[in-house]
Amino acid sequence: RKEVEQDPGPFNVPEGATVAFNCTYSNSASQSFFWYRQDCRKEPKLLMSVYSSGNEDGRFTAQLNRASQYISLLIRDSKLSDSATYLCVVNMGLTGGGNKLTFGTGTQLKVEL
Amino acid sequence: DAMVIQNPRYQVTQFGKPVTLSCSQTLNHNVMYWYQQKSSQAPKLLFHYYDKDFNNEADTPDNFQSRRPNTSFCFLDIRSPGLGDAAMYLCATSREASGLDEQFFGPGTRLTVL
Repeated sequence: RKEVEQDPGPFNVPEGATVAFNCTYSNSASQSFFWYRQDCRKEPKLLMSVYSSGNEDGRFTAQLNRASQYISLLIRDSKLSDSATYLCVVNMGLTGGGNKLTFGTGTQLKVEL
Repeated sequence: DAMVIQNPRYQVTQFGKPVTLSCSQTLNHNVMYWYQQKSSQAPKLLFHYYDKDFNNEADTPDNFQSRRPNTSFCFLDIRSPGLGDAAMYLCATSREASGLDEQFFGPGTRLTVL
């Protein structure tokens, strides 16, 4: 079983649609959770952290369910500029310092006119 | 202003010819990481430095080495590149070891092996 699993997509949605991505992780000791966005042939960039209580940033809402080891990202009112790959990222920490981020393979989103 | 800088952005090398990729940061972060990302795959951590302490991932091949001469710079050395090493190499930094610390990524170096 992969440490972080995502549906690779692609999700093709019309502009203005609401779309949801899911992610599961295998290590119950995971400490923190993130969604990163990666545009084609570019580096990953942090979209948002995911907190147990759920959190919202504009059109983006992230949820964490520790009991089910499940993370979600909801995008409302999709824009063309939201087209990218969304990476689910889990941090298990590292002895000796630092963060070990384990990335899912990403879910590709294509927003169309 | 660029915070994590990688040079070169594109590198072409020959099979078996050593290559060095460079990363520098202006953030004064304690931790620097090197990831390998192959096409349509997730970034995979190769190793990281916490200050001067080097930490290798168990499955990182011996062919990959790293140096961190000072806080700002970190190098990835590939001693004998194979065709399977063609990938995007991403450098990242984080301030501390906190589980909530964001990692900042450089733009990556795309390595082609001929």
